[in-house]
Amino acid sequence: DTGVSQDPRHKITKRGQNVTFRCDPISEHNRLYWYRQTLGQGPEFLTYFQNEAQLEKSRLLSDRFSAERPKGSFSTLEIQRTEQGDSAMYLCASSGDRGAYEQYFGPGTRLTVT
Amino acid sequence: SQKIEQNSEALNIQEGKTATLTCNYTNYSPAYLQWYRQDPGRGPVFLLLIRENEKEKRKERLKVTFDTTLKQSLFHITASQPADSATYLCAPQPDTGTASKLTFGTGTRLQVTL
Repeated sequence: DTGVSQDPRHKITKRGQNVTFRCDPISEHNRLYWYRQTLGQGPEFLTYFQNEAQLEKSRLLSDRFSAERPKGSFSTLEIQRTEQGDSAMYLCASSGDRGAYEQYFGPGTRLTVT
Repeated sequence: SQKIEQNSEALNIQEGKTATLTCNYTNYSPAYLQWYRQDPGRGPVFLLLIRENEKEKRKERLKVTFDTTLKQSLFHITASQPADSATYLCAPQPDTGTASKLTFGTGTRLQVTL
């Protein structure tokens, strides 16, 4: 297994545009998480999925943010009408759901909103 | 509200010495505590998990302690090397009976010099 992958690695967009990020988790993991990280801070939880079900969303996740995991495999995170405050590193992680608590993170997508 | 504190100032240490990083938490009763390493521009990498009934856990040159009375975890790297230079994140975690979202501290940057 090659680990968690994310695409793109970097995205520069203008304010007001929509962006979509993709995450491919470790194949046998049924839990998938999205986090956001800004400079000098630890990752902040956004949302997570158990298979295709979205089980929890953070209050950080405004109405402009939506995440999907349609077939319980890869996931997408979309941000509509981007704002400069959305500039951050968006991290995806996956884990099993029974007895394994550690999470495996992807390399992240660095978003810059100009 | 829950608070996780890690020393935001960088820790500079000479090669060969033991580095000790601190994680304090308040308004929290975690059943587990995880430590991750993060290199610049990359996602966090899982290092160790310690349970509340474990006082100490070791992995190669790494040692973690967990004091639920002091509400503190200490992370030690013995015989530190320049390759250990990174940011180290702690994540206290409640026992939900299954894998769950992580709440991270801000991280402490470790710099090991020759």
